[in-house]
Amino acid sequence: AQKITQTQPGMFVQEKEAVTLDCTYDTSDQSYGLFWYKQPSSGEMIFLIYQGSYDEQNATEGRYSLNFQKARKSANLVISASQLGDSAMYFCAMREKNNAGKSTFGDGTTLTVKP
Amino acid sequence: NAGVMQNPRHLVRRRGQEARLRCSPMKGHSHVYWYRQLPEEGLKFMVYLQKENIIDESGMPKERFSAEFPKEGPSILRIQQVVRGDSAAYFCASSEGTGGFYEQYFGPGTRLTVT
Repeated sequence: AQKITQTQPGMFVQEKEAVTLDCTYDTSDQSYGLFWYKQPSSGEMIFLIYQGSYDEQNATEGRYSLNFQKARKSANLVISASQLGDSAMYFCAMREKNNAGKSTFGDGTTLTVKP
Repeated sequence: NAGVMQNPRHLVRRRGQEARLRCSPMKGHSHVYWYRQLPEEGLKFMVYLQKENIIDESGMPKERFSAEFPKEGPSILRIQQVVRGDSAAYFCASSEGTGGFYEQYFGPGTRLTVT
């Protein structure tokens, strides 16, 4: 069964600094995708970044990068040059190719950016 | 190209009433997923539907909950005889396909409050 673990309920970072949000996963499938979403206080789910299990390079999208360590089953999100607008809840999620469209989410990390 | 639409955005029901949540997928998407988010938790998969078919309902409570995605019109998540524990945000997502390589685009969610 697929499982996502986010061990940091809350994180603080100073504006303009970088921050890493942890995510570990468990799956018996060889083919899967890993996703990060941002949920601001307004409640919508905003897709940030995707990493495929067979991708050799770490995914990057602007200030977001995904530190993918397959052997350790970790997919940490790195946000560079934090901005006040980055304050939100962040969710790591996984989808197995053999399990249709079902996404499994972690419990999230609340990030607060300090001015 | 309009995104995933959900209505209503907020729904208040008294215990014992029925709740109907609607989801219109993005244009061209024939795969719909429903997730539930309890307060302070991550999203939990409920059901995956294609047009006129339920593909995976492994996350649906066995009683009172049902979902459909008819040939015409939006997908409907129906909760009969609501209880206080049903209070949550219900998110719909849609995609072109399935598996780990198709992005699931989320709607803004419906916040259900049971009084």
